[in-house]
Amino acid sequence: AQSVTQLDSQVPVFEEAPVELRCNYSSSVSVYLFWYVQYPNQGLQLLLKYLSGSTLVKGINGFEAEFNKSQTSFHLRKPSVHISDTAEYFCAVSEWYSNYQLIWGAGTKLIIKP
Amino acid sequence: DGGITQSPKYLFRKEGQNVTLSCEQNLNHDAMYWYRQDPGQGLRLIYYSQIVNDFQKGDIAEGYSVSREKKESFPLTVTSAQKNPTAFYLCASSSGTGRDTQYFGPGTRLTVL
Repeated sequence: AQSVTQLDSQVPVFEEAPVELRCNYSSSVSVYLFWYVQYPNQGLQLLLKYLSGSTLVKGINGFEAEFNKSQTSFHLRKPSVHISDTAEYFCAVSEWYSNYQLIWGAGTKLIIKP
Repeated sequence: DGGITQSPKYLFRKEGQNVTLSCEQNLNHDAMYWYRQDPGQGLRLIYYSQIVNDFQKGDIAEGYSVSREKKESFPLTVTSAQKNPTAFYLCASSSGTGRDTQYFGPGTRLTVL
């Protein structure tokens, strides 16, 4: 992947409201797509990943993402957020022939307003 | 429990000193990675290793060095040649292909005084 763009550096949303975090990538080959979450002062953990098959992927904590090949996007969604979802979310891409490297977006901070 | 440990959690360094960050995994993973995280910049790859006794430079290797003498361990040395070492350092491991999940340690926050 040439690059990964997370369009919003911060997304404020009220508790129990839906949220979408946007991710676009540029690549001319087939890719694998990942969303990771980082809680404050911690490492990252995998939320979900797309490898092949169904373009709608479900992950942990009620999150899901949809791969759109024509728009080269992999947006993350949750229908109803909770205060515990406050974290930074990273989109990452690897190209099918790559055996090591993830290309990372800059991250989106999800801010939950009570 | 399987996982990745990093130590120390916080590290303070005087200018001109070398420091070594520890990373250990018991997941039996072949591949290990070191990333640097700065606010608003995502993760940048410093070094990676796909097998014992072999490692490759990532995007920002200047001023850093690594070793991989054991499968479980991948220490990172931040040398005095690194111009701006203050950052959050993350170690990760995976089975070693592009489709595999990378598992992360809790990180080490390095501050240069």
